[in-house]
Amino acid sequence: QQPVQSPQAVILREGEDAVINCSSSKALYSVHWYRQKHGEAPVFLMILLKGGEQKGHEKISASFNEKKQQSSLYLTASQLSYSGTYFCGTGSSNTGKLIFGQGTTLQVKP
Amino acid sequence: NAGVMQNPRHLVRRRGQEARLRCSPMKGHSHVYWYRQLPEEGLKFMVYLQKENIIDESGMPKERFSAEFPKEGPSILRIQQVVRGDSAAYFCASSPPGGTGSYNEQFFGPGTRLTVL
Repeated sequence: QQPVQSPQAVILREGEDAVINCSSSKALYSVHWYRQKHGEAPVFLMILLKGGEQKGHEKISASFNEKKQQSSLYLTASQLSYSGTYFCGTGSSNTGKLIFGQGTTLQVKP
Repeated sequence: NAGVMQNPRHLVRRRGQEARLRCSPMKGHSHVYWYRQLPEEGLKFMVYLQKENIIDESGMPKERFSAEFPKEGPSILRIQQVVRGDSAAYFCASSPPGGTGSYNEQFFGPGTRLTVL
């Protein structure tokens, strides 16, 4: 099942914070976060693994609640470059297959 | 270190023709994944391959679509007898050995935009 992201869209002013959530109905092995700008490839932001391990960019923070099968991406002090569509991808077993959410569109205005 | 490479970047085909999309993973990466993205939609998993092996093709349509990752050369996604509904962006991603793409980062290529007339 496709994970559900919320909100669907966010509009921020530079310097404001945002939280993007990702929920799954299945037990998760990992959660991956990507940002995609229009017409471009998705760019890796962070991976959170069952058991607490995290890998990703220093300026990005995220959480993974294994019991609730939820992850949240925290964007603080937003910059214009943060604009784009954010996708979470969930891995429910160690097979390599990721199931992506429908995306959250973030627009940062000056 | 070059990233994931895909070619062509844009491909136009008429209904009934064949489309061949190529993907060269990052150096040292042995896992390749193909995803399809329809306009204004998310990424849909198609297939996961390692060298000479299809590991998971659960997202691949049963007919007209095939994928391979030979011992030498790029991974190929082949679509036979294309229809208008095949028009989409096709992204390839790769991940390093020592775990699958659920455990490691998947790095995406620039994509191939397929247009079927």
